[in-house]
Amino acid sequence: DGGITQSPKYLFRKEGQNVTLSCEQNLNHDAMYWYRQDPGQGLRLIYYSQIVNDFQKGDIAEGYSVSREKKESFPLTVTSAQKNPTAFYLCASKGGDEQYFGPGTRLTVT
Amino acid sequence: GQQVMQIPQYQHVQEGEDFTTYCNSSTTLSNIQWYKQRPGGHPVFLIQLVKSGEVKKQKRLTFQFGEAKKNSSLHITATQTTDVGTYFCAVPGSNDYKLSFGAGTTVTVRA
Repeated sequence: DGGITQSPKYLFRKEGQNVTLSCEQNLNHDAMYWYRQDPGQGLRLIYYSQIVNDFQKGDIAEGYSVSREKKESFPLTVTSAQKNPTAFYLCASKGGDEQYFGPGTRLTVT
Repeated sequence: GQQVMQIPQYQHVQEGEDFTTYCNSSTTLSNIQWYKQRPGGHPVFLIQLVKSGEVKKQKRLTFQFGEAKKNSSLHITATQTTDVGTYFCAVPGSNDYKLSFGAGTTVTVRA
């Protein structure tokens, strides 16, 4: 069963801690993405990767970091430098023209 | 990157009625995509429009790309409770890999 998995679905952290969100795909897609979604706003691009071992900053990369060591995996680290980390985080991959999204991780930082 | 304005932000519809949501850009677009996100879910690709004036239908959903390729609309006929969710348009960003999403139209349905 092909698709994108994100874990965990809900994540709670204390302020000042780094946290890593998992994203795995078995669609054999080269390009992968991380978006942030806040209430009443569209999806904002954090980072994207066109191919293994390469990634670029999106529109709101500050306070985040990524790696792309394997084609299947594109983990996102939310660092303590991110001012407002509480949000819904969506991972996606690109097949053809469309993007395929994972189920998302809802991160709450208190 | 390019930006798009979606209107309205919220749409409350009586079941059985029609409604339209719009996506507007200040620049000419090469293409536009539409996604739907159910409450608590993730965005799912619906369609891509490429040609000027293009109209595509998916059952009760009609998608249109403007003649000038600066706007698009999604019209839903005879709204059902299954239509509840947020509809996003997305346009190409600064390169072929990037998409810029509108803020979305959130649709609720009164039975």
